[in-house]
Amino acid sequence: GNSVTQMEGPVTLSEEAFLTINCTYTATGYPSLFWYVQYPGEGLQLLLKATKADDKGSNKGFEATYRKETTSFHLEKGSVQVSDSAVYFCALSAYYGNNRLAFGKGNQVVVIP
Amino acid sequence: DTGVSQDPRHKITKRGQNVTFRCDPISEHNRLYWYRQTLGQGPEFLTYFQNEAQLEKSRLLSDRFSAERPKGSFSTLEIQRTEQGDSAMYLCATASGNTGELFFGEGSRLTVL
Repeated sequence: GNSVTQMEGPVTLSEEAFLTINCTYTATGYPSLFWYVQYPGEGLQLLLKATKADDKGSNKGFEATYRKETTSFHLEKGSVQVSDSAVYFCALSAYYGNNRLAFGKGNQVVVIP
Repeated sequence: DTGVSQDPRHKITKRGQNVTFRCDPISEHNRLYWYRQTLGQGPEFLTYFQNEAQLEKSRLLSDRFSAERPKGSFSTLEIQRTEQGDSAMYLCATASGNTGELFFGEGSRLTVL
């Protein structure tokens, strides 16, 4: 079945550091890929998405590129801020237009001033 | 704020009791989803409504679980004869189209003693 794997463990880094969170997926067909973010005390919200291979999603300085050859959708940000501290979830849907999402386990990101 | 609203935010119950959670969606959203999230895991799909019709149910949704959306607006998720393994965060999410973007509520946390 369709699944998403995120790198293990929380991520702690200093303000202005470079952030990468790895995400790989297993899917048949042509899934759409997403990153959702959960800030403390809030519900999950969509951060960015990509619906086909080689698409790059971007928002709030974050980027992720849909790599079909490596089945990956790694999240990156060049210079993090304390306000980026949150839990980040990678997710996929089986195809564009399907809202049923399969989520990874999430990564806690803590940015230290 | 007219986002997705869930009630109660936290429920503590004894094993064997019944509990009901309510979700009020964003008003123009016709698609409604229930997810369950346990500690250290990403959300897992439970069930999906389009308007009042329940179109999909996960095998995670045992016979003790029932969800309704009687008028295509708010939805309820009932768990009968709760077990300790039901302890989790129950998330409601809604969508208005097929973009893959879900709007999540803050969740209802269930603790079964």
